[in-house]
Amino acid sequence: SQQGEEDPQALSIQEGENATMNCSYKTSINNLQWYRQNSGRGLVHLILIRSNEREKHSGRLRVTLDTSKKSSSLLITASRAADTASYFCATDTGRRALTFGSGTRLQVQP
Amino acid sequence: ETGVTQTPRHLVMGMTNKKSLKCEQHLGHNAMYWYKQSAKKPLELMFVYSLEERVENNSVPSRFSPECPNSSHLFLHLHTLQPEDSALYLCASSQDPPRRGDEKLFFGSGTQLSVL
Repeated sequence: SQQGEEDPQALSIQEGENATMNCSYKTSINNLQWYRQNSGRGLVHLILIRSNEREKHSGRLRVTLDTSKKSSSLLITASRAADTASYFCATDTGRRALTFGSGTRLQVQP
Repeated sequence: ETGVTQTPRHLVMGMTNKKSLKCEQHLGHNAMYWYKQSAKKPLELMFVYSLEERVENNSVPSRFSPECPNSSHLFLHLHTLQPEDSALYLCASSQDPPRRGDEKLFFGSGTQLSVL
């Protein structure tokens, strides 16, 4: 079983709508990070939230963290066609490397 | 550009070939990673090098052989691969231990590998 699991696996919305992606994990964490990946490219870091934080904002991104439920959500407001990508959560458990989930594929229709 | 460069971008090889993937980082990091990304599966951590020493190896088959000659370069040597090894191979780097506020990974664009 994997540490991070994103939900939904795929999401299709219209430009201007909000997109919400969820991530659940199993073990205690130091921080949780969200990354974005354009098709066939590397991952790019978006935002990090620490285990003692509940909410964080960066531009049109809003991340929440509920350590009691071991879950996080990423909200992208006022989506744009350029937001089309896969989004991954990654957990930092204090081990040497981050553990990633399977990702959510977001399609924003113009 | 993320500061992590991977070559080649695409590679097609037969099961009897030997090839190498290269990764170079220009960020002054001291830890480098190989991840494997297969369709509809989570990223799989393959190897971690910190200060040029392999510190983690996630039960990767011996047909994958990493090499880290210095903190800026990382190689993945491939030999007698199987078709199921076809995937996107991603290199990443970071600072180890991470500085507070800079715990993230920086990824290269990956090598798309097809094994025929």
